[in-house]
Amino acid sequence: DVKVTQSSRYLVKRTGEKVFLECVQDMDHENMFWYRQDPGLGLRLIYFSYDVKMKEKGDIPEGYSVSREKKERFSLILESASTNQTSMYLCASRNPRADTQYFGPGTRLTVL
Amino acid sequence: SQQGEEDPQALSIQEGENATMNCSYKTSINNLQWYRQNSGRGLVHLILIRSNEREKHSGRLRVTLDTSKKSSSLLITASRAADTASYFCATGFSGGYNKLIFGAGTRLAVHP
Repeated sequence: DVKVTQSSRYLVKRTGEKVFLECVQDMDHENMFWYRQDPGLGLRLIYFSYDVKMKEKGDIPEGYSVSREKKERFSLILESASTNQTSMYLCASRNPRADTQYFGPGTRLTVL
Repeated sequence: SQQGEEDPQALSIQEGENATMNCSYKTSINNLQWYRQNSGRGLVHLILIRSNEREKHSGRLRVTLDTSKKSSSLLITASRAADTASYFCATGFSGGYNKLIFGAGTRLAVHP
């Protein structure tokens, strides 16, 4: 069965801290995605990776970076967390030969 | 900007009734997908309809697509309390690593 896991369900950080959100998939998918979800705005794409060490900016990349050193792992990095980055963060993966994305359970990040 | 926009934003019905959610989008698409999200969790794929299809069924779900009106609807028949969740449409495009653009979602509450 398909599985996408995220390192934390809930995370509380302070302004200015460096934050790492980890995502792991066990489906050998080439494509992986990071979204943030805010009330009334739906899901917005932050970054995606189409293969190891490959990355592309999504719609809202400012304040974020990513790392994809291994196929199964895609990390989202907040270099210096700010309160406006308080949000639900969702990771997803996709087999490029199919169109469906598989999502992790999400990490609810609060930046104080 | 959001591609898909769901209507209504919220829907409250009794068990056994049908629930209809609508999605409108702005540009040409390759496919349109519906996802479900239980409170505070990740998204789960429900159904995908391609641009050359007009209707698709999966269990109690029925999806229609009208490309001339750039709209889709999701019908859940004989709803159950367990159908309570948020439902999102997402539009997919050929090329560009087939990124999905999500709408803001419809919150469905099914009361016993």
